[in-house]
Amino acid sequence: GAGVSQSPSNKVTEKGKDVELRCDPISGHTALYWYRQSLGQGLEFLIYFQGNSAPDKSGLPSDRFSAERTGGSVSTLTIQRTQQEDSAVYLCASSLKNTGELFFGEGSRLTVL
Amino acid sequence: DQQVKQNSPSLSVQEGRISILNCDYTNSMFDYFLWYKKYPAEGPTFLISISSIKDKNEDGRFTVFLNKSAKHLSLHIVPSQPGDSAVYFCAASGHSGGSNYKLTFGKGTLLTVNP
Repeated sequence: GAGVSQSPSNKVTEKGKDVELRCDPISGHTALYWYRQSLGQGLEFLIYFQGNSAPDKSGLPSDRFSAERTGGSVSTLTIQRTQQEDSAVYLCASSLKNTGELFFGEGSRLTVL
Repeated sequence: DQQVKQNSPSLSVQEGRISILNCDYTNSMFDYFLWYKKYPAEGPTFLISISSIKDKNEDGRFTVFLNKSAKHLSLHIVPSQPGDSAVYFCAASGHSGGSNYKLTFGKGTLLTVNP
């Protein structure tokens, strides 16, 4: 497709389980971002990838969160030992380098019971 | 510590009238501002942006105004249409520590345009 693709669209898991969220950015976009939106909150920056540079992980809330981007394209956000406060919509976005004009996917809604 | 604030969680206007959405920021390092629009169950989509070297940017029915001294920006939609009903997010970025790519978002304002 032409847009940013995320999967799964919905994930319900039990506290303590690990989850993986996947993002397929727009072809040719070198920058990839992960944000999350908790209920009633704005979008919270998590991590940023730009080309082959070291990612900016400064927004990851704890060491249970990690992300990788393979081959400069697909990215996976992994949350280990999920907690209830991890429940949120996780949004991936891509852009042409540092334009600020991000193209977002539809998000992955994570619910931790 | 909220660096980008949208103090109105919701706004309701009549079709054809002007919608004005407001946003305040506290970080003086921010120099690039954007508005995103979000429909339910969709990701946010870019609407309009403004650099700090300008005080106004217009694109069709949408105009963004920036008041740097007040650290305030606003989005005007004229005339408002029912299809404009969505959540509007204000976002900002700056050159603080080289993180000019990292957008800081407000909590959003739900705009409802009544036919």
